[in-house]
Amino acid sequence: ETGVTQTPRHLVMGMTNKKSLKCEQHLGHNAMYWYKQSAKKPLELMFVYNFKEQTENNSVPSRFSPECPNSSHLFLHLHTLQPEDSALYLCASSQNPQIAGGVQAQYFGPGTRLTVL
Amino acid sequence: QKEVEQNSGPLSVPEGAIASLNCTYSDRGSQSFFWYRQYSGKSPELIMFIYSNGDKEDGRFTAQLNKASQYVSLLIRDSQPSDSATYLCAVFSGGYNKLIFGAGTRLAVHP
Repeated sequence: ETGVTQTPRHLVMGMTNKKSLKCEQHLGHNAMYWYKQSAKKPLELMFVYNFKEQTENNSVPSRFSPECPNSSHLFLHLHTLQPEDSALYLCASSQNPQIAGGVQAQYFGPGTRLTVL
Repeated sequence: QKEVEQNSGPLSVPEGAIASLNCTYSDRGSQSFFWYRQYSGKSPELIMFIYSNGDKEDGRFTAQLNKASQYVSLLIRDSQPSDSATYLCAVFSGGYNKLIFGAGTRLAVHP
C-alpha cells in the first residue's frame, strides 16, 4: 500500500448504528486530519492530530469521535448520526510543520462516501 | 471568519487554450497557498504550492501570488480534456497547519 488509504470506501448506515472509518498513511508523516466534504461546499476541517495528540477540534458534534493510536493510523467513530451528516469524509496527512519547518502540504486519501438513512 | 473565495464556474475553455483560475482570500496575514485538483468522485490531489509573491512554474501549471491584492491564481497552459476537474484553492492562515479551502472552480476543457 502506498500513500493514504481509507476504508471502507462506501458506507450506508442508519441513524442508530455505530460504525468506524479507518485511515492509514504510508508516507512517514506525523500529522493526520479528518475533513468533511458536502456537495457544493468547501472542505471542512474536523480534527487535526500531531504525533497522536489532537491539536484541533473544529466544533465537531460529539457524535463524531476521532481516535489516533499512532502516527500512521486514524479512526473516526460514528454514532447516532443524522441524514445531514451524509458526505464524503476525507483523511489527509502531512509532515508536522514544527518539525519540518513551515506549512506542509497535505495529502489526501480516497475518502469514504457516507450515506445516513 | 477567514474566507477563501473562488468562482464556482464552470469555466469552459477549448483544448490548447490557457485556463485561468482565480482565488481571493480575506486574511492579509496568510502565508502559504496551495492548489489541488479534484476529479469527480475522487479526492483532492496536490498540484502545487506557492509562498512568495510572483510566479511559480511547474510544467504546464503556473501559480501566481499577489499578497498586496490578496489573490492567487493558477494558469494551465495547453489545456487538455484530462484537465477537466474542480480546482481547489487552499490557504494557510495560522494555527496548526490548518488550511482553509475554497469551494472550488469547475474547469471544463472541450475538444
